[in-house]
Amino acid sequence: GAGVSQTPSNKVTEKGKYVELRCDPISGHTALYWYRQSLGQGPEFLIYFQGTGAADDSGLPNDRFFAVRPEGSVSTLKIQRTERGDSAVYLCASSLRMRDNDSYEQYFGPGTRLTVT
Amino acid sequence: LAKTTQPISMDSYEGQEVNITCSHNNIATNDYITWYQQFPSQGPRFIIQGYKTKVTNEVASLFIPADRKSSTLSLPRVSLSDTAVYYCLGPKRRGGFKTIFGAGTRLFVKA
Repeated sequence: GAGVSQTPSNKVTEKGKYVELRCDPISGHTALYWYRQSLGQGPEFLIYFQGTGAADDSGLPNDRFFAVRPEGSVSTLKIQRTERGDSAVYLCASSLRMRDNDSYEQYFGPGTRLTVT
Repeated sequence: LAKTTQPISMDSYEGQEVNITCSHNNIATNDYITWYQQFPSQGPRFIIQGYKTKVTNEVASLFIPADRKSSTLSLPRVSLSDTAVYYCLGPKRRGGFKTIFGAGTRLFVKA
């Protein structure tokens, strides 16, 4: 079956503009995660969805970042008033479930490379 | 939140066994230990996960001592295609879902 897909693969935008990044998780995966990865660093957690709700958004850096998952499948990460420091690869991952005391395996998409000029 | 500590980089030659150790001193009783692999321009890929002692799959083995404060990922007979970054995941905050990757270990396999 299809894996996690992300669109666009590359996005170049000007400082101050608004961008949306899309993630299509694996069918049937109720858990969805967004990460941000800068060059030479590991992925940095942004937000976690269980179904339609954001169960943990503690990684969102500020209120310019927002994510939705209205029907419990596709998710959109939205960044307002982009800044040059937002330039990074944004990764999405999905899994069957995630419980506090259970194991999990996350399946990652290829990422969207965002460049803010 | 608790962090993990692992070597920044390692070099190896084809055919050798590679062991990457990760320290996770603050691991909680109910935390699993998970390792991911990442190639350039790709998202991370799950390798192996364990809770205690030893776990083996077709890709790697994971050794976890009794105190669970560290773990060792063992890659048998590496090839050039094993050149990648390997991440040991940090423990989750109890009741939370934040996944901590850390900087990872960059493994370079030479011919």
